[in-house]
Amino acid sequence: EAGVTQFPSHSVIEKGQTVTLRCDPISGHDNLYWYRRVMGKEIKFLLHFVKESKQDESGMPNNRFLAERTGGTYSTLKVQPAELEDSGVYFCASSQADRGPYGYTFGSGTRLTIV
Amino acid sequence: AQSVTQLGSHVSVSEGALVLLRCNYSSSVPPYLFWYVQYPNQGLQLLLKYTSAATLVKGINGFEAEFKKSETSFHLTKPSAHMSDAAEYFCAASNTGFQKLVFGTGTRLLVSP
Repeated sequence: EAGVTQFPSHSVIEKGQTVTLRCDPISGHDNLYWYRRVMGKEIKFLLHFVKESKQDESGMPNNRFLAERTGGTYSTLKVQPAELEDSGVYFCASSQADRGPYGYTFGSGTRLTIV
Repeated sequence: AQSVTQLGSHVSVSEGALVLLRCNYSSSVPPYLFWYVQYPNQGLQLLLKYTSAATLVKGINGFEAEFKKSETSFHLTKPSAHMSDAAEYFCAASNTGFQKLVFGTGTRLLVSP
């Protein structure tokens, strides 16, 4: 079984530019989560999709962040315009419909650096 | 709101020594508790999880954790450290098992020969 795939693995962009992160969940996993770890801090929840619907987006920091999951498959997280404080590692996780965090599989993350 | 505290951002042990990584949670209702490990350049890997079935939970790679409700703790232990255990360890909690995870700040385990 293929795992959760995230790309790019690393991205370095200038402040003010736009970046799009992608997450491919495990096939058949309805739940898709985004988390972020800013350097030295804890990993924080951003949002949760169930299929293509946003179940919980309480962790999204501001309206510069836009997450989509078209067709309930892969998801993208766009940051526009990027600010210095957006630097960090962005993790994606997926789980089956009735599993939630109990059955998470995490991707290896995207390290985003804003310069 | 649920919170998770990991004492010690760095823990150093010698190879063969006991590993003890501390985690405390704040909740009036015992949550679902998890320990994850992140090796360099890899994703988060589940070590073990507590779901109220047993207070002593055994995980992969010889790790185990004990849930102590009276102390609101879920400390991670391993009797004998290996060099390959060097990584960052995260404790996390979820109120229902279906909601989002709340993580601690992580503890980096350093293992010396």
